[in-house]
Amino acid sequence: KAGVTQTPRYLIKTRGQQVTLSCSPISGHRSVSWYQQTPGQGLQFLFEYFSETQRNKGNFPGRFSGRQFSNSRSEMNVSTLELGDSALYLCASSLEEVALDEQFFGPGTRLTVL
Amino acid sequence: GENVEQHPSTLSVQEGDSAVIKCTYSDSASNYFPWYKQELGKRPQLIIDIRSNVGEKKDQRIAVTLNKTAKHFSLHITETQPEDSAVYFCAAHKYSSASKIIFGSGTRLSIRP
Repeated sequence: KAGVTQTPRYLIKTRGQQVTLSCSPISGHRSVSWYQQTPGQGLQFLFEYFSETQRNKGNFPGRFSGRQFSNSRSEMNVSTLELGDSALYLCASSLEEVALDEQFFGPGTRLTVL
Repeated sequence: GENVEQHPSTLSVQEGDSAVIKCTYSDSASNYFPWYKQELGKRPQLIIDIRSNVGEKKDQRIAVTLNKTAKHFSLHITETQPEDSAVYFCAAHKYSSASKIIFGSGTRLSIRP
């Protein structure tokens, strides 16, 4: 079974631009979560989608948004980029059918904002 | 709000010795506690997890203990090896229709040869 994939792997943008990141979960997984990872802040939860619905959201400004498609693929968008948005963005998928389940992480998209 | 505190932030142990990483959580309704290992340049991977109906779980050299009353859980690695060097994250999760997983800030474990 193929693992979680993320595209692109690396991205360089300038302040004020917007960016869209993509995540394809493991086949059959309906839950996709997004995280921001920075050296000083660890793993910060952005949001989680399940069956095309945002089920929960972390403490990030409205510039961060996401969506999930019917095939469970997910995208996250960051508008009006700031220097502080430079980070590794990880997505993770899980089955989440009945009980809590292991999250499988993708390789991440490293975003650099200049 | 919900919070998970993880200590220590860095840990260096001699190869063959044991390592212990501790986490405390604030939401008493949390009922799932996974531990993830992230090697340098790689993605986090689950190494062990425990649910609130169990006090201890072991998998070869790795064990996790949970104290629900005190709201803390710990990762124990025995007979450490060089490949145990990595960043370890604990997390607490409350299962509900609006579940949210909270990660600790991570522990960088270094194994000295």
